[in-house]
Amino acid sequence: NAGVTQTPKFQVLKTGQSMTLQCAQDMNHEYMSWYRQDPGMGLRLIHYSVGAGITDQGEVPNGYNVSRSTTEDFPLRLLSAAPSQTSVYFCASSYLGLAGGHEQFFGPGTRLTVL
Amino acid sequence: GQQVMQIPQYQHVQEGEDFTTYCNSSTTLSNIQWYKQRPGGHPVFLIQLVKSGEVKKQKRLTFQFGEAKKNSSLHITATQTTDVGTYFCADDNYGQNFVFGPGTRLSVLP
Repeated sequence: NAGVTQTPKFQVLKTGQSMTLQCAQDMNHEYMSWYRQDPGMGLRLIHYSVGAGITDQGEVPNGYNVSRSTTEDFPLRLLSAAPSQTSVYFCASSYLGLAGGHEQFFGPGTRLTVL
Repeated sequence: GQQVMQIPQYQHVQEGEDFTTYCNSSTTLSNIQWYKQRPGGHPVFLIQLVKSGEVKKQKRLTFQFGEAKKNSSLHITATQTTDVGTYFCADDNYGQNFVFGPGTRLSVLP
């Protein structure tokens, strides 16, 4: 199993450009999520999905779009990049039990710089 | 909205000393999860606590969940250089919108 994979590892964008960060998991997990990590801020939830066709907003969704057409893939789209979106982005997945969430498996991250 | 806080923000210890980080929530926690992130790496799950007052141990690590389910702690006995990293707590909100604390960064001096 590859676990959670993310591409690209690094990306530099100019202000106003758009791009898609890819995330895939091969563990058949229902739950997938996107976080951004900024120094001293911990991990902040951008969007999450509890299954194919279902997405919801997290704490910091503005400027980002997601879709979940398959169980395996959960891409994150930056519509018009801004310098404030410079960050490290992590994708994570977990299976859902009756009592709620279980351990999240994180991808290696994408380091994004917006000039 | 819910706020999850952690103290201290940073901790420097000599190898062999003990270390504790505290996690406090502004609202009742559903379940509490703990993660460790090594420098330059990604968060790795350590443990999940579900029941009020629950205590779990993993070798030198002891995790506690408060009786009121509003706080949790992670204690490391006799730290080693391999314990270096940032420790995060997170509320899984019954598998919906996870909320992470800002983390405690631990450095261990040999």
